[in-house]
Amino acid sequence: DSGVTQTPKHLITATGQRVTLRCSPRSGDLSVYWYQQSLDQGLQFLIQYYNGEERAKGNILERFSAQQFPDLHSELNLSSLELGDSALYFCASSVGQEANYGYTFGSGTRLTVV
Amino acid sequence: GQNIDQPTEMTATEGAIVQINCTYQTSGFNGLFWYQQHAGEAPTFLSYNVLDGLEEKGRFSSFLSRSKGYSYLLLKELQMKDSASYLCAITYQKVTFGTGTKLQVIP
Repeated sequence: DSGVTQTPKHLITATGQRVTLRCSPRSGDLSVYWYQQSLDQGLQFLIQYYNGEERAKGNILERFSAQQFPDLHSELNLSSLELGDSALYFCASSVGQEANYGYTFGSGTRLTVV
Repeated sequence: GQNIDQPTEMTATEGAIVQINCTYQTSGFNGLFWYQQHAGEAPTFLSYNVLDGLEEKGRFSSFLSRSKGYSYLLLKELQMKDSASYLCAITYQKVTFGTGTKLQVIP
């Protein structure tokens, strides 16, 4: 157990729907990062939050949004889902704003859009 | 921005040594990570290089040359369980991952 908790582990939904993925960072970590990994693709950085504030943004679609709550857990909202959104979504956490000592990844949420 | 290149696939024999290369171009650089990822699982941290040179950790070693934009991961005494993808990632403002090298260890 890495200490980073992601729920749910698996999600199957239809095109056009909206889902919410949840992440609780490792105890003491203030930064949360979201990544998307499609089949045979690399990890694509979506967004980072640090202590409740958005800190960095990657290739995140406008249909996607995220937030980090006062208790530091984070949610990634995906709306108007398309087949191409099917992927593994990983959350990672680190102590500081810069991941200079590496991330700790959660076990991921596998999203299947049908 | 950042650009990272790694070979897509490699095959090596159990008990042997394999070197996985990573080259990168980046506008800024804080450090370079190597992660291991088994299929369908989360990446796990292997090493982090900030300065030039070789860092050894058990069967795994990682090398960095900042002037050449080059790193490699060296795996010794290969075991079947080392079959996985190996991800090179650089950090500058955020962490950018390469697409990974899928290593197959054969008996």
